[in-house]
Amino acid sequence: QFVLTQSPSASASLGASVKLTCTLSSGHSSNAIAWHQQQPEKGPRYLMRLNSDGSHTKGDGIPDRFSGSRSGAERYLTISSLQSEDEADYYCQTWGTGIVAFGGGTKLTVL
Amino acid sequence: EVQLLESGGGLVQPGGSLRLSCAASGFTFSNYAMSWVRQAPGKGLEWVSAVSGSGGRTYYADSVKGRFTISRDNSKNTLYVQMNSLRAEDTAVYYCAKGVEMSTSTFDYWGQGTLVTVSS
Repeated sequence: QFVLTQSPSASASLGASVKLTCTLSSGHSSNAIAWHQQQPEKGPRYLMRLNSDGSHTKGDGIPDRFSGSRSGAERYLTISSLQSEDEADYYCQTWGTGIVAFGGGTKLTVL
Repeated sequence: EVQLLESGGGLVQPGGSLRLSCAASGFTFSNYAMSWVRQAPGKGLEWVSAVSGSGGRTYYADSVKGRFTISRDNSKNTLYVQMNSLRAEDTAVYYCAKGVEMSTSTFDYWGQGTLVTVSS
C-alpha cells in the first residue's frame, strides 16, 4: 500500500552537510513520516517525525544538526556539520491505520 | 528513562515455534501502541505486527499473518509475539518498538533486539 523510495547510498565529507531523500508513493504525498538512524551493529534510533505541514518533532537528545523538510511527495533529512558517528543507515517510515512501512534505507558514508 | 528489553530469541527448526517478550519500563505502557519490527541479516527494517494500547486491536504484515500472534499484558508492562510455523525467511533480529499514540504510528523508542535463527 505504502511505498517509500530511498537511494541506497550517499556520501559526504566530515564537517559538510548532506540531504537524504525519501519519496512517498502516489496518493500518499501528504503523509507524515519519521526518520530513524541505525549505526553499525546497533538498534535503530528515532530521529524525528516530519509532519505534513513541514514541522518536525525530534526524539530525545537529537542534536540541532539534524533537520527535516518536505516538498510535495519528497521528504528530506538534512544533516549538517557531519561527524564520524553520523555514518549509519537512515530509514524513513510512514504509517496508516493498521499498517506501517519502511523505506529501503540509505547507507551514509562520512568521508 | 524508557527501556525496552527483548528476550526469547534463539535457534529453532523450520516449522517450529518461539515466543518473544519485550519488557517495558519508564512510561505508561497501556497508553501506547507497540510493534515488532524485524531485520534480516544484511537487510532493511520490516514491520511485523502492532497492537493497540488496550490490546484490543492487532495488525500484521502479510508475511506473518496467520502464523504470528501479538499480545500484551498491561499489568506486567510486557509485549509478546508468538511465532508459529517458522520459516528460514523469518530469520532476523526482532526489535520491539514503542509507538507515540494508542494506535499505529511512528516509533520513538526501540529495544536492542533479539536474534531469531530458523535453521535445521
